[in-house]
Amino acid sequence: QQPVQSPQAVILREGEDAVINCSSSKALYSVHWYRQKHGEAPVFLMILLKGGEQKGHEKISASFNEKKQQSSLYLTASQLSYSGTYFCAPLGGKKLTFGTGTRLTIIP
Amino acid sequence: DAGVIQSPRHEVTEMGQEVTLRCKPISGHNSLFWYRQTMMRGLELLIYFNNNVPIDDSGMPEDRFSAKMPNASFSTLKIQPSEPRDSAVYFCASSLAGDISLHFGNGTRLTVT
Repeated sequence: QQPVQSPQAVILREGEDAVINCSSSKALYSVHWYRQKHGEAPVFLMILLKGGEQKGHEKISASFNEKKQQSSLYLTASQLSYSGTYFCAPLGGKKLTFGTGTRLTIIP
Repeated sequence: DAGVIQSPRHEVTEMGQEVTLRCKPISGHNSLFWYRQTMMRGLELLIYFNNNVPIDDSGMPEDRFSAKMPNASFSTLKIQPSEPRDSAVYFCASSLAGDISLHFGNGTRLTVT
C-alpha cells in the first residue's frame, strides 16, 4: 500500500525550515527519501535505518515517530535548490514503495 | 561515470502498436528496477531483477507488459499491444548489492494515442 505523505504541497521562503511526513499502515524499518525536480528523475537523498541511523545528506535529517509508522524529513535553512517533489520510500523486502509525494517550493 | 541510460527519451505511438523501452544499468550494478510514474498513481514498481533474474513482477499491470534482462548490461520493457492508459513516464533504476540507493535513468515519456 502506498505511503501517504503530508503536506501535499508547501511553499517556504529561503532560509525557513520544512518538515515532511510519511505515514504507513505498517511499521517502518528503513525509509529512503528521494527528491525529484520537474522533468527529471528522482535522486536519492538519504536513508533512515531502523535504529535511527542515517546515511546521506548533510543538511537533511529524518526520524521515526514512537510507533515507527511515520517518518519525518527535516530540511533546515532551506535553499532555492531544495525545490522539488519529495518522496519517501519505505523498504519492504528488497522493494521500495514510493509515497504520494510532497511538492516543496522555495521562494526568495 | 555514465549513469543509467534509457532510450528512447520520448515515444509517441498509436494504440495497438508494440512499444519497447530500453535500459542500460550502471556497470557493476546487479539489481535493476522498472518504475512507472503517472499523476494519478505516482511512482509504481513494475518489476525488478537481481543478477538478471526477475525477482518480483507483481507490479506488472497485465499480460500486455513483459520485461527481460538478457545480460547484466541491458534490459527491455515491452508493451504489446499498447493502450492510451499506458501513457506515463517509465523509469529504469539500478543499484548495487549492499548499496542502499537507487540510481534512476532519465526516463522514457510514453504517449499512446
